[in-house]
Amino acid sequence: ETGVTQSPTHLIKTRGQQVTLRCSSQSGHNTVSWYQQALGQGPQFIFQYYREEENGRGNFPPRFSGLQFPNYSSELNVNALELDDSALYLCASSPPVGSYTFGSGTRLTVV
Amino acid sequence: AQSVAQPEDQVNVAEGNPLTVKCTYSVSGNPYLFWYVQYPNRGLQFLLKYITGDNLVKGSYGFEAEFNKSQTSFHLKKPSALVSDSALYFCAVRPPGGSYIPTFGRGTSLIVHP
Repeated sequence: ETGVTQSPTHLIKTRGQQVTLRCSSQSGHNTVSWYQQALGQGPQFIFQYYREEENGRGNFPPRFSGLQFPNYSSELNVNALELDDSALYLCASSPPVGSYTFGSGTRLTVV
Repeated sequence: AQSVAQPEDQVNVAEGNPLTVKCTYSVSGNPYLFWYVQYPNRGLQFLLKYITGDNLVKGSYGFEAEFNKSQTSFHLKKPSALVSDSALYFCAVRPPGGSYIPTFGRGTSLIVHP
């Protein structure tokens, strides 16, 4: 079975720009979640999608948005990037109840 | 609201000695509990989970965890630590219903000395 794949692995953007991060979920998993992990911190929940619908959102502003596609892959979009958005962005997929499988993450640096 | 506490930022242990990484949680109802490990510049890898049943859960790489409902704890343990176990460890709790969204602790850095 394939795991969770994220792209790109690293990205450098300028403050004010927009970015799209991509995630391919593990086969058979219909739930995808996105997390932001700042240096030295635990993962902070951004939002979760189940069968293409957002079914949970953490304490992140509306400029963080997402999509889930019919094949359960997902995108995270961040508009108007700020310096504090620099972090490792993790995607995780899971069956409706069970453990998450995480991707290796996208390291975003905003300069 | 659910929460997870990992009271130790760092745990140091000598190779071959037993290790314990602590986790306490707060959630309504019976929790789903997880441990993940993260190596530098990598995503989180699943170690073990408690859903129901035996309070002692065995997971990957020789790790185990004990669920203690009265103390609301889910400490991670290993009888004999290896240098290669050095990594960042995260405890997570998921509620038993709703959207099942987990909450992660801040992480504990485990350092195993040769």
